[in-house]
Amino acid sequence: GEDVEQSLFLSVREGDSSVINCTYTDSSSTYLYWYKQEPGAGLQLLTYIFSNMDMKQDQRLTVLLNKKDKHLSLRIADTQTGDSAIYFCAEKRGNQGGKLIFGQGTELSVKP
Amino acid sequence: DAMVIQNPRYQVTQFGKPVTLSCSQTLNHNVMYWYQQKSSQAPKLLFHYYDKDFNNEADTPDNFQSRRPNTSFCFLDIRSPGLGDAAMYLCATSRLSGTGPLTDTQYFGPGTRLTVL
Repeated sequence: GEDVEQSLFLSVREGDSSVINCTYTDSSSTYLYWYKQEPGAGLQLLTYIFSNMDMKQDQRLTVLLNKKDKHLSLRIADTQTGDSAIYFCAEKRGNQGGKLIFGQGTELSVKP
Repeated sequence: DAMVIQNPRYQVTQFGKPVTLSCSQTLNHNVMYWYQQKSSQAPKLLFHYYDKDFNNEADTPDNFQSRRPNTSFCFLDIRSPGLGDAAMYLCATSRLSGTGPLTDTQYFGPGTRLTVL
């Protein structure tokens, strides 16, 4: 199908790790992205991974990509209250100029 | 700082009254996008400009139009807003024809929240 799918909610305690999962649909997608959206704000690019990579680490963020299962995850280590937001995964379909297809977003709630 | 700017941040209009939303960018990117995001939903691409070339998504209603007078500015015109057009409208930009891993990555503005009364 067309949809990129994410679970809608995740709740963790401050200091724990958060793992946000995403399944995408197009095996030819070249780049996969994670965006963060705080209330009332636009989308902030967090990180991306190229489709020929399995893992990418960027400070507290770790992205894992399983191309066979079309599964993408974002792990946030030592989650802080400031990480509370909606996290969108997105796949870029097509070559240059290809459109982004977003998941419906996972709302991360971090409790002190 | 190079950025994507949207004005206004909040816009209220009346049912059927034309409204224009504005986006500007200092990134000198050649592609500009408009997305519609309804409450608790994913952003949905309406159209994009690649330089001066306009690319409309097949399911974008005719009620939505866009103009890009120069590289820096892009406008979203809603000719006759209906109640169903109330949403957050997001502008994004990207740079094609470049090199490096972030070429073609989309950078978003803060959005304009449109209310239709």
